[in-house]
Amino acid sequence: QQQVKQSPQSLIVQKGGISIINCAYENTAFDYFPWYQQFPGKGPALLIAIRPDVSEKKEGRFTISFNKSAKQFSLHIMDSQPGDSATYFCAAATSGSRLTFGEGTQLTVNP
Amino acid sequence: DTAVSQTPKYLVTQMGNDKSIKCEQNLGHDTMYWYKQDSKKFLKIMFSYNNKELIINETVPNRFSPKSPDKAHLNLHINSLELGDSAVYFCASSQNRASEQYFGPGTRLTVT
Repeated sequence: QQQVKQSPQSLIVQKGGISIINCAYENTAFDYFPWYQQFPGKGPALLIAIRPDVSEKKEGRFTISFNKSAKQFSLHIMDSQPGDSATYFCAAATSGSRLTFGEGTQLTVNP
Repeated sequence: DTAVSQTPKYLVTQMGNDKSIKCEQNLGHDTMYWYKQDSKKFLKIMFSYNNKELIINETVPNRFSPKSPDKAHLNLHINSLELGDSAVYFCASSQNRASEQYFGPGTRLTVT
């Protein structure tokens, strides 16, 4: 059973545009929602994370928006750059438990 | 200084063989993990150890056996390799079970 659903599967954005990746979860006990970035041939790296006590978190060009009632969260990448081209994974966990990952989004930012 | 390292980076072997992948972290973390990433890039946890104690054991064939000789090391031994075992295996570590996870560079296993 896939508890975290991620969309779109792939995304192409022009340089300077906004990239938006969405995730939906089922388990209301989840209380930790990280996003990971993975470049080809590398391991996933934590990009930004949010807990459900806030509705938005921003770090530089990256913003997580969180909607607890809808059980959805999204990653916004402002002013997207070719160097942002990577696979992005959302994930969710309850405190002290395993991370459940979304299926991943392949982002391509064209110059 | 590599935080989480894995060896080997690539592993090509034939069906039926036994192989091991090693993982070491120099972050002083208490918790370590093994993940499998399939050809569609889906990441799934396999095992987790906290202070050398097995705490997560997902539905993984018995042919896979993790071993943690100490807090800094978590190895994965695979017996009787099958074609379906071909994947990228990632080791990860975290300060504790509730904190962010740091991933290693991965081991690409190809079974022929």
